[in-house]
Amino acid sequence: EVQLLESGGALVQPGGSLRLSCAASGFTFSSYAMTWVRQAPGKGLEWVSSFRSSDSTTYYADSVKGRFTIYRDNSKNTLYLQMNSLRVEDTAVYFCAKGSRGEWVTPLDYWGQGTLVTVSS
Amino acid sequence: QSVLTQPPSVSGAPGQRVTISCTGSSSNIGAGHGVHWYQQLPGTAPKLLIYSNTNRPSGVPDRFSGSKSGTSVSLAITGLQAEDEADYYCQSYDSSLSAWVFGGGTKLTVL
Repeated sequence: EVQLLESGGALVQPGGSLRLSCAASGFTFSSYAMTWVRQAPGKGLEWVSSFRSSDSTTYYADSVKGRFTIYRDNSKNTLYLQMNSLRVEDTAVYFCAKGSRGEWVTPLDYWGQGTLVTVSS
Repeated sequence: QSVLTQPPSVSGAPGQRVTISCTGSSSNIGAGHGVHWYQQLPGTAPKLLIYSNTNRPSGVPDRFSGSKSGTSVSLAITGLQAEDEADYYCQSYDSSLSAWVFGGGTKLTVL
């Protein structure tokens, strides 16, 4: 059974940093693209970042480019999102999601339950 | 303003059929990029409902179906049930933005 478990969400001040983790199990982690999607309170879904498995290419939304870094540790079956220079508008529930293939432009067939990041002074 | 446009809300009585539209442009749906639909029940994570315009993952009831016409796609739900009450999102790739894009979401209310 595929499971994705996010952790690391917290209350942080503007300008601060946070690292989110997503522990994966039930599939060959290194073979699939992985993605972070966020949802601000009461709002819709927003793509944040993706990691292509074949060549480790990373992709970012313009809203987080230069501030967030996605990376993975295949030995630990874990996906990470390092978030720096956090802004109030980054406040959201962050979901990690598994791609159905190694390419990053694939349907997201499994999602974690999300972790809440609150950026506030 | 989302790149993919969905109606904010739709409603229907139990047993009825409803459709949710998702309208894009020549750089996403019109460019042939597949559209995926997700269902988000209250307080839960999204769940893949339809992928690549018309395909259902295993376990998704055949009451849910997808179709495409030009730069628009639609999600149809037949035999509406109370448990279908949720938010529905479409998603595609936009080659001009080089980014995944989501629709703004549609809240389905079962009357």
